[in-house]
Amino acid sequence: KNQVEQSPQSLIILEGKNCTLQCNYTVSPFSNLRWYKQDTGRGPVSLTIMTFSENTKSNGRYTATLDADTKQSSLHITASQLSDSASYICVVSTTGGGNKLTFGTGTQLKVEL
Amino acid sequence: NAGVMQNPRHLVRRRGQEARLRCSPMKGHSHVYWYRQLPEEGLKFMVYLQKENIIDESGMPKERFSAEFPKEGPSILRIQQVVRGDSAAYFCASSPGQGVHEQYFGPGTRLTVT
Repeated sequence: KNQVEQSPQSLIILEGKNCTLQCNYTVSPFSNLRWYKQDTGRGPVSLTIMTFSENTKSNGRYTATLDADTKQSSLHITASQLSDSASYICVVSTTGGGNKLTFGTGTQLKVEL
Repeated sequence: NAGVMQNPRHLVRRRGQEARLRCSPMKGHSHVYWYRQLPEEGLKFMVYLQKENIIDESGMPKERFSAEFPKEGPSILRIQQVVRGDSAAYFCASSPGQGVHEQYFGPGTRLTVT
């Protein structure tokens, strides 16, 4: 069964600090891994997409890593801001079948002053 | 370029009524996906459609749920005879094609069944 697990479930950090979110997956056959940011009451917004051959990708203060051998990914947020408070969702796509996505339950991040 | 539009944003239905959720994809996108997010759970794939065709409906409940994406107009997710367990946020996403394409999500429709 395809599964995506994320940790921690929730996290509180002070503004300006860095943090790293983790994702483990058992999805086959693997096509790509995505990280999304979802603000409360809004739809998810894509941060990064990585294919099998990519092991790191950055988008501003967000850097995602992928280890396809161990089936693990991380999302590192640098110099956090209050606006980073949101749910961060790890999503894995399988090959074929029309780009079907399997979602993790997300890490709820809160950035405080 | 307007993003993915969904309406209504909030929908309240009594048990047994029908719910119709609409999704207008981004301009130029012919691939539409529907997802459901139950409280405290991750998004779950429901159905994938291209214009006038259902490509993959493996995530759709077998009864009461149907989806269409006509040649003209928005994609429609229809839930007949709603039950309390249908209360959830329903998200639509669109993409320009298959494969490693970005899926752009709409703001969602929050369905409450009373």
